[in-house]
Amino acid sequence: GQQVMQIPQYQHVQEGEDFTTYCNSSTTLSNIQWYKQRPGGHPVFLIQLVKSGEVKKQKRLTFQFGEAKKNSSLHITATQTTDVGTYFCAGPDSGGYQKVTFGTGTKLQVIP
Amino acid sequence: DAGVTQSPTHLIKTRGQQVTLRCSPKSGHDTVSWYQQALGQGPQFIFQYYEEEERQRGNFPDRFSGHQFPNYSSELNVNALLLGDSALYLCASSQEHSTNEQFFGPGTRLTVL
Repeated sequence: GQQVMQIPQYQHVQEGEDFTTYCNSSTTLSNIQWYKQRPGGHPVFLIQLVKSGEVKKQKRLTFQFGEAKKNSSLHITATQTTDVGTYFCAGPDSGGYQKVTFGTGTKLQVIP
Repeated sequence: DAGVTQSPTHLIKTRGQQVTLRCSPKSGHDTVSWYQQALGQGPQFIFQYYEEEERQRGNFPDRFSGHQFPNYSSELNVNALLLGDSALYLCASSQEHSTNEQFFGPGTRLTVL
């Protein structure tokens, strides 16, 4: 079945440093979604990318969808303590868009 | 406008028992998906309901079943509980003809002893 891996698994950064998480799918994706889950919370939708090579920005967050639509990245510039949490990418299963496969997640810790 | 709500918040059961979890979708949403999230892992898709029918299912045994009501709310039932069923159960709602953006509820923390 479809597998979605993320690296790194954990990342500790000093406040103000940049952070990047990478997402790789075993199959081509029709779209990629990114979610953030705060400690003790639930996943919150951040963005969806659809087009090959697409780049979208949300303030300090930059999302990119690979040309082959099998990988994606999330880059945070100048991290803040409010960025703490686990970031998941997620993509629809190739067998049917209803099933969404979540990545393994990257847990970000920001040291003040 | 209420978001996705789930009940109960926490639940403790013993092996072999049965449990029912409930979810009310965000207003205007007609599709409900259920996920299991073990500690330290990403959410795993259980199944999705639309128009009161199970539309797609992940790799979960038949002990996991569900239902969707005419008002779009949904239940997740788990029979013959195992220790490994201990997890956070998340409900997510979306619109059938949307871009797949899902809104998650706060989850139900199930502990099986």
